[in-house]
Amino acid sequence: GAGVSQSPSNKVTEKGKDVELRCDPISGHTALYWYRQSLGQGLEFLIYFQGNSAPDKSGLPSDRFSAERTGGSVSTLTIQRTQQEDSAVYLCASSLIAGEWVTYEQYFGPGTRLTVT
Amino acid sequence: SQQGEEDPQALSIQEGENATMNCSYKTSINNLQWYRQNSGRGLVHLILIRSNEREKHSGRLRVTLDTSKKSSSLLITASRAADTASYFCATRTGGSYIPTFGRGTSLIVHP
Repeated sequence: GAGVSQSPSNKVTEKGKDVELRCDPISGHTALYWYRQSLGQGLEFLIYFQGNSAPDKSGLPSDRFSAERTGGSVSTLTIQRTQQEDSAVYLCASSLIAGEWVTYEQYFGPGTRLTVT
Repeated sequence: SQQGEEDPQALSIQEGENATMNCSYKTSINNLQWYRQNSGRGLVHLILIRSNEREKHSGRLRVTLDTSKKSSSLLITASRAADTASYFCATRTGGSYIPTFGRGTSLIVHP
């Protein structure tokens, strides 16, 4: 079946503009994660959605970042008033339900490479 | 702060050699996973080892976990040029649904 897809694959924007990044998770996966990866760095957690529960936004770096997940499926990450330090690869991952004592592997999308000029 | 840290940061070997990379973490975990990332894009899950397991195998991959030392190792035997990638460990601690990733080990396998 289809994997996790993200769009666009690349985005170049001017400083101060807003951007929207989209993630289509695997059908049936209730958990969805957004991460950010700067050049040569590890993955920085941004936000986590699980079913109809309130999202865990603890990783969002500032109030310029927000995300929503509509109908328990597609998710959009929005960055307002972009800054040059926002330049990074934004990765989305989905998994089956993640219980406290159960972990399923995460399936990652190919990422969106954001460049803020 | 990073929960898991991979070591070494970079590794360069010849095809056919074994590659070993390590992951150390700070707090007790439920499980630890290893992922591979090619060309700075999406990650691919390799193997998961639970806190009550000591060793797991998958093809040419062997993962060990030493909870007393809070460390794990990933061994790739008989490496191939196609194994060239970055390798990350991800840990989950009790009560958290969010795996935490290290900075990764960059592996280059020369043909």
